[in-house]
Amino acid sequence: ETGVTQSPTHLIKTRGQQVTLRCSSQSGHNTVSWYQQALGQGPQFIFQYYREEENGRGNFPPRFSGLQFPNYSSELNVNALELDDSALYLCASRRGGLNEKLFFGSGTQLSVL
Amino acid sequence: TQLLEQSPQFLSIQEGENLTVYCNSSSVFSSLQWYRQEPGEGPVLLVTVVTGGEVKKLKRLTFQFGDARKDSSLHITAAQPGDTGLYLCAGAKNAGGTSYGKLTFGQGTILTVHP
Repeated sequence: ETGVTQSPTHLIKTRGQQVTLRCSSQSGHNTVSWYQQALGQGPQFIFQYYREEENGRGNFPPRFSGLQFPNYSSELNVNALELDDSALYLCASRRGGLNEKLFFGSGTQLSVL
Repeated sequence: TQLLEQSPQFLSIQEGENLTVYCNSSSVFSSLQWYRQEPGEGPVLLVTVVTGGEVKKLKRLTFQFGDARKDSSLHITAAQPGDTGLYLCAGAKNAGGTSYGKLTFGQGTILTVHP
């Protein structure tokens, strides 16, 4: 059983650019969520996808968008990057059902200069 | 905004000491989870508590969920250097019958156990 994998592991962008982060869910998991973790902070919920539809969103602006594909892999897109977007972006997957265990990937470290 | 406050933010102790990390909120959660995160890695789930007053033990770690389901604690007995890491509490709220599973995380407690 493969775990949650994210790519790339590190990324450097400049302000105003756009970025796409990718996540492959653990086998058999149909729910994926994305979190942003700033340095020294706990992760903050961005949004969740269940069977290719967004079914929950945190307090993030519309320039944060996502997709989930039929194979349950997922993308996080961020437009018009700002300096404060510099953070570790974590993808997590689980089977359907709130109390199912959540598995996190190792994250993508994004630096915006 | 639901907030989970963790304390202390930093903890530096010697091997063999005991410690307790607290997680408090003004909101009621359906369940509360504890995670451990190491540098360069994602959080790894340690335990989920769902019933008010529940106590769970995982070897030297003891987790407690408050009676009102607003607070939790993590107690480590005889800490070892391998326990070093960032400990995060996270609360979940059910939303009807959907799979909506937003987790609200605390800011974390950085634990360092010196040999």
